[in-house]
Amino acid sequence: AQKITQTQPGMFVQEKEAVTLDCTYDTSDQSYGLFWYKQPSSGEMIFLIYQGSYDEQNATEGRYSLNFQKARKSANLVISASQLGDSAMYFCAMREGHGQNFVFGPGTRLSVLP
Amino acid sequence: DADVTQTPRNRITKTGKRIMLECSQTKGHDRMYWYRQDPGLGLRLIYYSFDVKDINKGEISDGYSVSRQAQAKFSLSLESAIPNQTALYFCATSDSKGVRGQGTGEQYFGPGTRLTVT
Repeated sequence: AQKITQTQPGMFVQEKEAVTLDCTYDTSDQSYGLFWYKQPSSGEMIFLIYQGSYDEQNATEGRYSLNFQKARKSANLVISASQLGDSAMYFCAMREGHGQNFVFGPGTRLSVLP
Repeated sequence: DADVTQTPRNRITKTGKRIMLECSQTKGHDRMYWYRQDPGLGLRLIYYSFDVKDINKGEISDGYSVSRQAQAKFSLSLESAIPNQTALYFCATSDSKGVRGQGTGEQYFGPGTRLTVT
């Protein structure tokens, strides 16, 4: 079974608008971490934001926020005020337990339109 | 200077050749990982190492081997390369102290090695 599901292979958003990238996960662990990474066309993987399973508040980092709904096992990334430089692949990832299992979703390609 | 470096950055090799990809880090992290990325499949874990004497197979270890020469160095070898090993390979590091509650445990990635097997 897929541990991380990203149902949107591609998304388009108009510059300056907000966009939500979906991520659902599957784990039986009580302690886990959820991550989002950005991969621009240059290829590097850039860490964006983290949410711990015991964190009661949604994580925020600048224009990025993580909409964490534990009961639904979803961890959607919200990008506010999209910029052209946000065009990239976005990967949701999960660390289970003490980190021996770190899995990535298939990614969503975001295109920001001028 | 980059915290996680990979050499080579690009490599073209022939079927059956042995090839080694190298990773070095200056972050002082104890954990290191090797992933491969194929289009549409995200990143898949090949091997991971929690310290110099602890090496573990990941999801897709067949056809690969690794060596953790020091805390800062983790090498990936393809003993006999085949065309379906053509991919983008990433090395990553993380800090176990992050998992034990002093941080988040996020992984930091090298720039990647693009390997083509003809």
